[in-house]
Amino acid sequence: QKEVEQDPGPLSVPEGAIVSLNCTYSNSAFQYFMWYRQYSRKGPELLMYTYSSGNKEDGRFTAQVDKSSKYISLFIRDSQPSDSATYLCAMSVHSNTGKLIFGQGTTLQVKP
Amino acid sequence: DAGITQSPRHKVTETGTPVTLRCHQTENHRYMYWYRQDPGHGLRLIHYSYGVKDTDKGEVSDGYSVSRSKTEDFLLTLESATSSQTSVYFCASSSGQATDTQYFGPGTRLTVL
Repeated sequence: QKEVEQDPGPLSVPEGAIVSLNCTYSNSAFQYFMWYRQYSRKGPELLMYTYSSGNKEDGRFTAQVDKSSKYISLFIRDSQPSDSATYLCAMSVHSNTGKLIFGQGTTLQVKP
Repeated sequence: DAGITQSPRHKVTETGTPVTLRCHQTENHRYMYWYRQDPGHGLRLIHYSYGVKDTDKGEVSDGYSVSRSKTEDFLLTLESATSSQTSVYFCASSSGQATDTQYFGPGTRLTVL
């Protein structure tokens, strides 16, 4: 079993829809949770970062962490065609190495 | 964006040949990482470096070695390439804390025939 599980999709939604992306994990020691966005044939870029449990909002994006359920989510409001990309969750235990464990990534397509 | 480049961007090689991929960053970041990305697996850490000449293994290090002789350069070597090492390789760098952003390069697409 992988430490981090993420549904690869693809997920197709109409423009303006609310998108929910999710990851589950098995290692209760994870404390740092990130979401990266990766456009086709590009390197990933950090989108959101959350420490421990709770919510974090940045514009149209909201990240949620539920450590009791070992479940994290990324919500995208008013989705745009420019949001079409692969979204990867990533997690870390150690604060001084930056070693990340990534999910498989979910491919999202937002149709105009 | 952090200045991080990879070379070559594309490479086709034959089984059994040595291959070296280069990562160069201009941000004076202490930490550098090599990942491979494959369908169904996402990004997996191969090796990472926490300083010049200081490196450690990631989760898929077998068949790979790395070297870091300067802060800005991190080399990944496949001593004897195999078809299972056909992948897209990404380099990343960061200041080092888990809370710090890892900045990724554009990737190297490697095909081993």
